[in-house]
Amino acid sequence: GAGVSQSPSNKVTEKGKDVELRCDPISGHTALYWYRQSLGQGLEFLIYFQGNSAPDKSGLPSDRFSAERTGGSVSTLTIQRTQQEDSAVYLCASSQYNEQFFGPGTRLTVL
Amino acid sequence: GENVEQHPSTLSVQEGDSAVIKCTYSDSASNYFPWYKQELGKRPQLIIDIRSNVGEKKDQRIAVTLNKTAKHFSLHITETQPEDSAVYFCAALMNTGFQKLVFGTGTRLLVSP
Repeated sequence: GAGVSQSPSNKVTEKGKDVELRCDPISGHTALYWYRQSLGQGLEFLIYFQGNSAPDKSGLPSDRFSAERTGGSVSTLTIQRTQQEDSAVYLCASSQYNEQFFGPGTRLTVL
Repeated sequence: GENVEQHPSTLSVQEGDSAVIKCTYSDSASNYFPWYKQELGKRPQLIIDIRSNVGEKKDQRIAVTLNKTAKHFSLHITETQPEDSAVYFCAALMNTGFQKLVFGTGTRLLVSP
């Protein structure tokens, strides 16, 4: 079946612009995570959605970052007024029970 | 708070040697411990996992051990091959409040021919 998908695969933007990154989880998965991975670094947790519960936003680095999950399915990560240090790969993952399945990521480059 | 520590950060071995990566976790209620492999430019993928009701699990050249009392678990790769070169992440499912998977900081394994 279809795995986790993310779009766009690559995004180049100018400093100060807003960007939206999209994640389509595996159908039926109730949990959805967003991570940021800078080049050669680990998985930086950003935000976690579980069913209809309020999300765990403890990993968002600043108030420029926000995420929504509509209808318990698709999620959008929004970064406002992008900065060069926001450049990274943004990974989405979904799970139903324990195992997380990762999407291919969106590579964001802020010029 | 929720925390998973992973060591070493980098590991270099010769082909055929064994490699061991160790992780410790903070939440004594954690009951699920997966290991992910991330090859260069690829997404992380699950390679093996263990639940708290067992102490060891093996799958061909890889094995994971769990010591619940000490709150640590390890990944063992035997007869390493160059294609084992990747970044490996451990994780623990935290059960305080949200049931959330928390990752370690990763180990870069390099297997030299």
